[in-house]
This record gives sequence, C-alpha cells and structure tokens, in this order.
Amino acid sequence: GQNIDQPTEMTATEGAIVQINCTYQTSGFNGLFWYQQHAGEAPTFLSYNVLDGLEEKGRFSSFLSRSKGYSYLLLKELQMKDSASYLCAVMDSNYQLIWGAGTKLIIKP
Amino acid sequence: GAVVSQHPSWVICKSGTSVKIECRSLDFQATTMFWYRQFPKQSLMLMATSNEGSKATYEQGVEKDKFLINHASLTLSTLTVTSAHPEDSSFYICSANHGGDSYEQYFGPGTRLTVT
Repeated sequence: GQNIDQPTEMTATEGAIVQINCTYQTSGFNGLFWYQQHAGEAPTFLSYNVLDGLEEKGRFSSFLSRSKGYSYLLLKELQMKDSASYLCAVMDSNYQLIWGAGTKLIIKP
Repeated sequence: GAVVSQHPSWVICKSGTSVKIECRSLDFQATTMFWYRQFPKQSLMLMATSNEGSKATYEQGVEKDKFLINHASLTLSTLTVTSAHPEDSSFYICSANHGGDSYEQYFGPGTRLTVT
C-alpha cells in the first residue's frame, strides 16, 4: 500500500528553527510537495522536490532523499503566523497526489 | 497568477436537499481539476479527478451518483452533493492544474458544507 508518515504535532518557539519530517512509501515517485494549511482554510503551496537535495526559499527549505523515501521541511526564524498544519504529499506513478495526515505546528512566544 | 475561486464559501442546507459547489480557475485554463473532502483534524481525501469534457474519475468508495461532477469548460468545474445528509457535512476543496511541466495544484479557498 501507499503510505505517508509525518508527526502529528510539533511545538517550537518563536524565532527558533523547526524541522518537520516526512517518510513515504508509494508506487512510483514523481515529486514531493509541501503545503501549509491554516485552520479552516485551503492548503497553500510551499515547495516541490523531485531531485535529491535541498531547495531553499526564504525562511523555508525542503530536502529530499529518494533512496531513503524521506523529506523534511525546515522553517527558520519562526513567526507566530507559521502556526499551521504542514502537509506532505507525494505524486505517485499515476501522477496522483498521496497526502500525509499533516503536522500541526504550534509556535509559542 | 494561478487563482482558483470557489462558491459558495459556506452553505447550510437541510437533509435531503442538493447543493452545488462551483470551482473556477480565474486566470488560467485548468486541464484537470480535483475535488477533495476534509473532515476536522484529518488530511485531504481526494474524491475525484475531472478533465474538461470527459467524465470524472472517482476514488474508491466515493459514490458517483451522489457526488455529481461536471467539468464543462477549462475554467469551471461543479460538484453537486445530491440528497445531502448530515454525514456529508465537511470542508470541500477543489484544486486545479494547468498542465504543461507543472504538477502543482492550485487550491480554491474551500466550501464549508453543513447539513442539518
């Protein structure tokens, strides 16, 4: 079966750095996405990785290791507005997105 | 660019009635649109994939006669929840992909459906 695992909840302090991990087992791989979702709102796109390595975009970076079936989202200089759920999704061989359950990130002052 | 709108943003209906939700890509042509359902504190669940001018492909367990999807143009897809029941109350989100080399999905703001 297809499976995406990510922690249910994480807590971090404003100004700090947090890493949200995602491991996956899917039938084929055509890229991994990270989305941010605030409560009651639709997800917004953060990053897309299809090759191994680190992609940096401002305060957010995303890393991928295809051989390990592993990715992480790194958030630096945390701000209160970063409190949200972070969804990991993998595009399988049929170009269908398989979604993780999301990681609720709580930022404390 | 790549804005997707949904209408209505929230709706309350009585059990047994039907509700139509519209999803529009405002500044691009969406070759494929997706409909998701999300229950509280759960992840997105793909309901169906629709391509313009063809029948939608439904995920296993999703009743196609209950959730009618029409993708009549490259900028509009509709989801009709027929004979709604309280268990259909959920957050319905559409997304669109404009094809080419990009697989990114652009999400609409979602529609909160409450069936009483």
